[in-house]
Amino acid sequence: AQKITQTQPGMFVQEKEAVTLDCTYDTSDPSYGLFWYKQPSSGEMIFLIYQGSYDQQNATEGRYSLNFQKARKSANLVISASQLGDSAMYFCAMREGSGGFKTIFGAGTRLFVKA
Amino acid sequence: SAVISQKPSRDICQRGTSLTIQCQVDSQVTMMFWYRQQPGQSLTLIATANQGSEATYESGFVIDKFPISRPNLTFSTLTVSNMSPEDSSIYLCSVERGHDTSTDTQYFGPGTRLTVL
Repeated sequence: AQKITQTQPGMFVQEKEAVTLDCTYDTSDPSYGLFWYKQPSSGEMIFLIYQGSYDQQNATEGRYSLNFQKARKSANLVISASQLGDSAMYFCAMREGSGGFKTIFGAGTRLFVKA
Repeated sequence: SAVISQKPSRDICQRGTSLTIQCQVDSQVTMMFWYRQQPGQSLTLIATANQGSEATYESGFVIDKFPISRPNLTFSTLTVSNMSPEDSSIYLCSVERGHDTSTDTQYFGPGTRLTVL
């Protein structure tokens, strides 16, 4: 069964510093995709970054990068140069290639950026 | 990415009533989904909205409680029926192209924040 674990309920970071949000996953499917979403207080879910299980390099999108360690089954999100607008909930998600289009979400991590 | 709108953005309803949430996409998409996010919780998939046929519901969700329509490739509705305070949640519509199960990205609408009194 798919499983996504986010062990940090809340994280604090100083503005302009980098922060890492942890995510581990469990799957026996060799083909899978990993996703990170941001949810501000408004409630919308904003797609941030994607990493495929066969990708050789870590994904990057602007200030977001994904530290993909396949052997450890971890897919940590790194946010560089944190901004006040980064304060939000962050969800890690996974979809198995054999599981159709069903996406499983982790419990989320709430990030607080301090001025 | 697709532009997705939802109506209403929020509502306060009385128990026992029903609310229909609309999801409109600016381009044709193969896959449309409805999620529920209870307060302080993560997202839970309610069902996959299938164009021209009955929706596919996840365990714990039934058609009588959450009827779904999808008349075309750009529009879907979710009805929350006979509401109780436990139905107070954010309801999110999401879409994707449907080309590859492991690489396709799901994009979400802005959500509908429902409070049931």
